[in-house]
Amino acid sequence: AQSVTQPDIHITVSEGASLELRCNYSYGATPYLFWYVQSPGQGLQLLLKYFSGDTLVQGIKGFEAEFKRSQSSFNLRKPSVHWSDAAEYFCAVGPLNTGNQFYFGTGTSLTVIP
Amino acid sequence: GAGVSQSPSNKVTEKGKDVELRCDPISGHTALYWYRQSLGQGLEFLIYFQGNSAPDKSGLPSDRFSAERTGGSVSTLTIQRTQQEDSAVYLCASSSHLEQFFGPGTRLTVL
Repeated sequence: AQSVTQPDIHITVSEGASLELRCNYSYGATPYLFWYVQSPGQGLQLLLKYFSGDTLVQGIKGFEAEFKRSQSSFNLRKPSVHWSDAAEYFCAVGPLNTGNQFYFGTGTSLTVIP
Repeated sequence: GAGVSQSPSNKVTEKGKDVELRCDPISGHTALYWYRQSLGQGLEFLIYFQGNSAPDKSGLPSDRFSAERTGGSVSTLTIQRTQQEDSAVYLCASSSHLEQFFGPGTRLTVL
């Protein structure tokens, strides 16, 4: 079965520090991959997506992610975190050729300390 | 801007009552998704509409849940005989070219 794993439930970083949020997926082929951010009381906003081509993708707000086929991973990174980055981050895959569904991870909550 | 809107933003109801949640997608988006987000959980797919095709209802958790999309635009998610375990945030997203745009959600609380 297809699945998305975000192993870190909660991460705390200092403002200005670098950030990496992990995402692993389980699927037999290369899926479409997404990272979304959800601020409190808000809907999800797309940060970046990977469909094909260059495995390092750039997104909004200074985020980037790298697709590594050998590790079935799509980790999100940011070189210098800002206090406004505190939010919930979701990795997602899909839609897959087995249906219309997007599969989301359970999310990583990011706290930024001054 | 003309993003995805959902109403109501909050809904408190008593166990056993029916509720209707509304989603207004982005104009021109033919695909529409409903998700349920429970505390500490990821998004759970509920139902998918694409144009005039039959909806993909494979994610609906029980026959108390139903949804319709009128005129290929506005969608309504109906939960009959609500249970406490239905308490969650219900998110709607419309899609263009595989990119989903999410509404702010409806927080449903069943007492």
